Amino acid sequence: DAGVIQSPRHEVTEMGQEVTLRCKPISGHDYLFWYRQTMMRGLELLIYFNNNVPIDDSGMPEDRFSAKMPNASFSTLKIQPSEPRDSAVYFCASSDVRGQIYEQYFGPGTRLTVT
Amino acid sequence: QKEVEQDPGPLSVPEGAIVSLNCTYSNSAFQYFMWYRQYSRKGPELLMYTYSSGNKEDGRFTAQVDKSSKYISLFIRDSQPSDSATYLCASDTGRRALTFGSGTRLQVQP
Repeated sequence: DAGVIQSPRHEVTEMGQEVTLRCKPISGHDYLFWYRQTMMRGLELLIYFNNNVPIDDSGMPEDRFSAKMPNASFSTLKIQPSEPRDSAVYFCASSDVRGQIYEQYFGPGTRLTVT
Repeated sequence: QKEVEQDPGPLSVPEGAIVSLNCTYSNSAFQYFMWYRQYSRKGPELLMYTYSSGNKEDGRFTAQVDKSSKYISLFIRDSQPSDSATYLCASDTGRRALTFGSGTRLQVQP
């Protein structure tokens, strides 16, 4: 299996622009998680889905952030408009309901820089 | 105050040393406790886990949880340069929404 796939790996954009991050979970996994990692705040859960349905979005920082999962093999995290404080590494992770509750498989991350 | 607190380090030790990494947590509802390892510019990967209190050993790694003091530990014996990474503790109530510590950066010197 290819593991969790994220694109792009790096994104540099100007303040005010729309940013879309993409994730393909491991085939057969029914949970998908979006995290953000910064030096100041560490790794924070933004939102997670079960069977394509958002379960908990309490970590989404504000209305500028939105996430969708139109099918079992694809999810997007969108920031509109982007701000410099959104600069971070964004990770997508997936897990299997039949697997252990604590075992999440992380993608390589998208490094976002907003200037 | 964060629900899971972790000393960011960095922690530098010589090869072969015993390493002790620690976290404290505040949420009494946490039942699952785990350690993830993150190499530079990579995603975290699960290293060890325990359910409730107790110890778990896997090769050179031992995970320990003391729920009475809300303390999570990871011990690495005979540390190797390949162990150099950031170690993240994490906890969960059972909802699958992991709460991570900020991570401790470990450097094992050859």
